[in-house]
Amino acid sequence: DSGVTQTPKHLITATGQRVTLRCSPRSGDLSVYWYQQSLDQGLQFLIQYYNGEERAKGNILERFSAQQFPDLHSELNLSSLELGDSALYFCASSVDSWGEDYTGELFFGEGSRLTVL
Amino acid sequence: SQQGEEDPQALSIQEGENATMNCSYKTSINNLQWYRQNSGRGLVHLILIRSNEREKHSGRLRVTLDTSKKSSSLLITASRAADTASYFCATDASGGAQKLVFGQGTRLTINP
Repeated sequence: DSGVTQTPKHLITATGQRVTLRCSPRSGDLSVYWYQQSLDQGLQFLIQYYNGEERAKGNILERFSAQQFPDLHSELNLSSLELGDSALYFCASSVDSWGEDYTGELFFGEGSRLTVL
Repeated sequence: SQQGEEDPQALSIQEGENATMNCSYKTSINNLQWYRQNSGRGLVHLILIRSNEREKHSGRLRVTLDTSKKSSSLLITASRAADTASYFCATDASGGAQKLVFGQGTRLTINP
């Protein structure tokens, strides 16, 4: 158990719809990362938040947005869903990415499997 | 875009044999990590090797890094059926985990 909790585990929805994925990081971790894993694109970095602020953006579509709340949990919002958005969405957390204790290790949740029909 | 590329894409061996997976990357890095993913599960960190290290061991795992060739290898010795999983290398080019870029992975199957 990594200590990172993601909900829901599975989600089936239709094209054009909007969904929200939720992530609770490990206790004490300030950084949260979102990754998308699909068969054709592999594991793609979407976005990172650190202590409530956006730190880095990757291959995140404009239809997608995320935020990190004061209690450090994060949500990834996916809107105007398309068939190609079907994938596993992972949240990961890490210790302070700027401190001396930084080891680079990410702790991954079990993922949210999104199926768009 | 992918920074690391694992080779082979798939590997099937008998239990007890050693498994070697390779990773090549394109740009200079601060460190390289290996992760493991059981089917449909989250990734689990295995080992990190820094750019100034050449070899690192952890239990049955041995990782090497050749920065001149921009490549790394992961060796699993005395494989077990439970080692069946996908293995990914991930490179950190900036010193920050936000730049952790994963390869496509090697799918390892250990046959009993």
